[in-house]
Amino acid sequence: AQTVTQSQPEMSVQEAETVTLSCTYDTSESDYYLFWYKQPPSRQMILVIRQEAYKQQNATENRFSVNFQKAAKSFSLKISDSQLGDAAMYFCAYRSPEGADGLTFGKGTHLIIQP
Amino acid sequence: NAGVMQNPRHLVRRRGQEARLRCSPMKGHSHVYWYRQLPEEGLKFMVYLQKENIIDESGMPKERFSAEFPKEGPSILRIQQVVRGDSAAYFCASSRRTAVYEQYFGPGTRLTVT
Repeated sequence: AQTVTQSQPEMSVQEAETVTLSCTYDTSESDYYLFWYKQPPSRQMILVIRQEAYKQQNATENRFSVNFQKAAKSFSLKISDSQLGDAAMYFCAYRSPEGADGLTFGKGTHLIIQP
Repeated sequence: NAGVMQNPRHLVRRRGQEARLRCSPMKGHSHVYWYRQLPEEGLKFMVYLQKENIIDESGMPKERFSAEFPKEGPSILRIQQVVRGDSAAYFCASSRRTAVYEQYFGPGTRLTVT
């Protein structure tokens, strides 16, 4: 079974600065999908960014980018120019491409933005 | 284009009662997933359904929990004889048949068992 580990329970960053959230995972599969989800206080799960394992290029969505290191099984999220609205729980998630099950989530990182 | 809808948003049940949670997927989505989030935890997969068919229920507790996704109407997660340990946020997600990896989540139902 796949596992996802987020080793930072909480991170704090000054507004406008850059922060990186860590995620590692364990799998024996060669093809899979990785995701970062944001959960603000409203508890709505919002998809931030997606990475296909077969793509070497790191995914980017505006101020959000990932550093995908397949050999190291690492998938970190970088948030540039942090804004107050970025404050939330961030969850890393894994999914098999053919599997019949759902997403496997990490325990999350609580991101605090200091004004 | 409405997103995934869940109701109720908050549900309070006494121990021993039944809880019914509803999920309407996004338009054009035929796959539904249910997840449970305990306090201070990430989401845990429970069950994956297509219309009239359970694809994978490996994350469902063996007793008291059941799920369905009928031909017409929303998907239902049913918890019988609730206990305090069932208190959690329950999230539904949906996806298209051709992109099952891209799941869109509803706002969740917070179940409190008193």
